[in-house]
Amino acid sequence: EVQLVESGGGLVQPGRSLKLSCAASGFTFSKYGMAWVCQAPTKGLEWVASISSGGGNTYYRDSVKGRFTISRDNAKNTLYLQMDSLRSEDTATYYCARHRYTTDYFDYWGQGVMVTVSS
Amino acid sequence: DIQMTQSPPSLSASLGDKVTITCQASQNINKYIAWYQQKPGKAPRLLIRYTSTLELGTPSRFSGSGSGRDYSFSISNVESEDIASYYCLQYDNLNTFGAGTKVELK
Repeated sequence: EVQLVESGGGLVQPGRSLKLSCAASGFTFSKYGMAWVCQAPTKGLEWVASISSGGGNTYYRDSVKGRFTISRDNAKNTLYLQMDSLRSEDTATYYCARHRYTTDYFDYWGQGVMVTVSS
Repeated sequence: DIQMTQSPPSLSASLGDKVTITCQASQNINKYIAWYQQKPGKAPRLLIRYTSTLELGTPSRFSGSGSGRDYSFSISNVESEDIASYYCLQYDNLNTFGAGTKVELK
């Protein structure tokens, strides 16, 4: 059974950093592209960033370029999102999701982790 | 970047109704569109990929169609378990979600 379990969320002040993790199990992690998708309270889904199966290619939405870094450790079956220079508008639930192929649609999702940026 | 315009933002349906949601892309997305269902407090669930291919476990009352820039998603014979929000996703060039449609009971 595919499982994606996020951790690392919480309350953080504007301008500070936070690192999210996503532990994967039930599939060969190193063979799949992975992504982070966020959802602000009462709002819709927004793709945040994606990474190729080997980690060599990364992609970001414009609003997080230069502030967020997606990475992965295939030996540990774990996906990461380093979030720097956080803003109030980054407040959201962050989902880890698996791409079926490279950067196409998402077939499995984690349960999500809440990030609140507030002073 | 590809933009996805989804409508309507919300709709009310009676049990047994047919409802249709549309998504228009800002450019041709070559049928690379998926549809998701999301219930409150839960992660999205993939229902349809590549415009009209139902994922395993998706009931046959769900369907999708379209080409080029224009796509639609329908639920025939709405059931109570279908009350949720629905999102389109383009994956022709990276990923963009539509703004979502909340389906409520009339």
